[in-house]
Parts: sequence; C-alpha cells; structure tokens
Amino acid sequence: RKEVEQDPGPFNVPEGATVAFNCTYSNSASQSFFWYRQDCRKEPKLLMSVYSSGNEDGRFTAQLNRASQYISLLIRDSKLSDSATYLCVVNEGTGGFKTIFGAGTRLFVKA
Amino acid sequence: NAGVTQTPKFQVLKTGQSMTLQCAQDMNHEYMSWYRQDPGMGLRLIHYSVGAGITDQGEVPNGYNVSRSTTEDFPLRLLSAAPSQTSVYFCASRTGTANQPQHFGDGTRLSIL
Repeated sequence: RKEVEQDPGPFNVPEGATVAFNCTYSNSASQSFFWYRQDCRKEPKLLMSVYSSGNEDGRFTAQLNRASQYISLLIRDSKLSDSATYLCVVNEGTGGFKTIFGAGTRLFVKA
Repeated sequence: NAGVTQTPKFQVLKTGQSMTLQCAQDMNHEYMSWYRQDPGMGLRLIHYSVGAGITDQGEVPNGYNVSRSTTEDFPLRLLSAAPSQTSVYFCASRTGTANQPQHFGDGTRLSIL
C-alpha cells in the first residue's frame, strides 16, 4: 500500500464547476499536510496547508480528517487556469521532516 | 528573491559520464533534499540533508552522491550515468522548524543516452 494515495484522474470539468479531490495516508502519526500544484514540466508549488479545522483560501477549501486519515481539496468556480496536477503531501517522522508525496491528480478545466 | 536555484536546466549525457547538478538556496534553510520525478509518477526522494555536514539517503539513493559543506549549497553527483537516470530532478529546501512546507527549484531535465 502506498503511503499517500490519490486518484490519478484525470478529472475533466467545465469552467465554473466545483471539483473535489481526496487523498488518503497510511501513517496515523503523520503530522502536517499540504496541497501542492504542479503545472506540466514545472516545479511543484505550495497551494495551501491543511489544518484539522479546515481552511479556505479564495476558491480553494482544504479539509483534514485524522480519524479516517484522509485529506480533501475542494475547488469552486473552476477556471481554465486551474488545469494542473494537484499533489497531496504529508510530513511525518520526528519534527515532520520526512515528506511523502502522492502521485497527483490531474485536472483539466475546459471552456 | 532567488529562492532555490538549480543549474543546469537541461543536460544530455552519455552512459557512463559523471556530472554534478547544482542546487543553492538563499533562505538560510537548514533542510535540503533532492527528488526525481519520472513520467506519470510522484516525486521520489534521493538524498536529503538536515544541516551542513549532515546527509542521509532517501528512497532511491543508488547511483547518486551528495555533500553539504555549506548551508546554501547541496550538489547532487551522478557517478556513472545510466539511461535509467533519465528524469527531471528537483531540489527543495525548508526551514528547520517542524512541519513546514518545502520550496522547490525549477528543476533539471536530464537525459542519458
């Protein structure tokens, strides 16, 4: 079993749609959680951290469910520019220094 | 702000050649790491360092060496390039504070013929 699992997609959605991605992690002692965005052939860029209480940044909402060991990302009012691969990232180990990346979920937003 | 700088951006090598991928960060980050990303796959950790003079192996260390003589620099050396090492290589850094996100360089695209 992979330590961090994501549905690879692709998700094909029209502009304006709401889309949700889920991610599960295997280590119950994982300490911190993030969503990164990666455009084709580019470096991953931090989209947002994920907190147990849930957090929102504009059209993006992230949720963490520690009991079920999953993380979600909700994108509202999708834009063409949201087309990218979204990586679920988990820090574990002492001090949260071991970083585990999911393989990513591809999103295509179409006009 | 320069952030994490990787050089070169592109490189083609012949099997058996050696080379060094450079990574430098100007954020005074203690923690630096090297990843490789193959098509359709996630990032895999090659080597990492928690501070100057300290390095350790990640998930896929074979065929690579690293050193960390300064806080700023973390070069990755390919000892004898093999076609299986054709990949995109990303360097990342983060602070020593627990549970912080990593910041990435823009990658080195390496082809081994």
